[in-house]
Amino acid sequence: GESVGLHLPTLSVQEGDNSIINCAYSNSASDYFIWYKQESGKGPQFIIDIRSNMDKRQGQRVTVLLNKTVKHLSLQIAATQPGDSAVYFCAENRGDSWGKLQFGAGTQVVVTP
Amino acid sequence: SAVISQKPSRDICQRGTSLTIQCQVDSQVTMMFWYRQQPGQSLTLIATANQGSEATYESGFVIDKFPISRPNLTFSTLTVSNMSPEDSSIYLCSVQLSSGARGTQYFGPGTRLLVL
Repeated sequence: GESVGLHLPTLSVQEGDNSIINCAYSNSASDYFIWYKQESGKGPQFIIDIRSNMDKRQGQRVTVLLNKTVKHLSLQIAATQPGDSAVYFCAENRGDSWGKLQFGAGTQVVVTP
Repeated sequence: SAVISQKPSRDICQRGTSLTIQCQVDSQVTMMFWYRQQPGQSLTLIATANQGSEATYESGFVIDKFPISRPNLTFSTLTVSNMSPEDSSIYLCSVQLSSGARGTQYFGPGTRLLVL
């Protein structure tokens, strides 16, 4: 079936650099996207979301970009810190699916000193 | 956001037994969901548990194996029945604070289950 997937399973980033995590989705009916951060032993933590009528949204140190033409989503983390080390998941929601989220495979981000 | 707790946080169970996982939210929410996260993998939706209606299950999950209760707007339980080692996973509940078709979901800390 249609799915959300990630390009890179592991991303190693030097502390202070910017991180970019990519996500490809194939369901053209999806109109809401969320990025989650999951630290070891914890549940996913909401980072930022974006609706399909936008192509960019910024939060604190994070920016999400949405390219509907190529069905691509990215999360940019500015000035990556050791506390950013975690697994990051993108998730998509279809407007007709009433809350059901479909998650991507996840990217492990490792921040090195 | 919402504060979500789960009990137990972890358990080790024998095959053939059942475990009931509790999810408690600090505010009333209409939409609650149960997910499974197998070791090293992503999250898969098991079912949607809305108060006042029967839970709706995703493909591959059935009520006899994963019965769900939703007695009120702040609480839900998921039972993993007749467990086998393949049921070893993290089980997570989530809530959607808005009542519309889509909205941010917040997750509990998860219940880590190991079946021997």
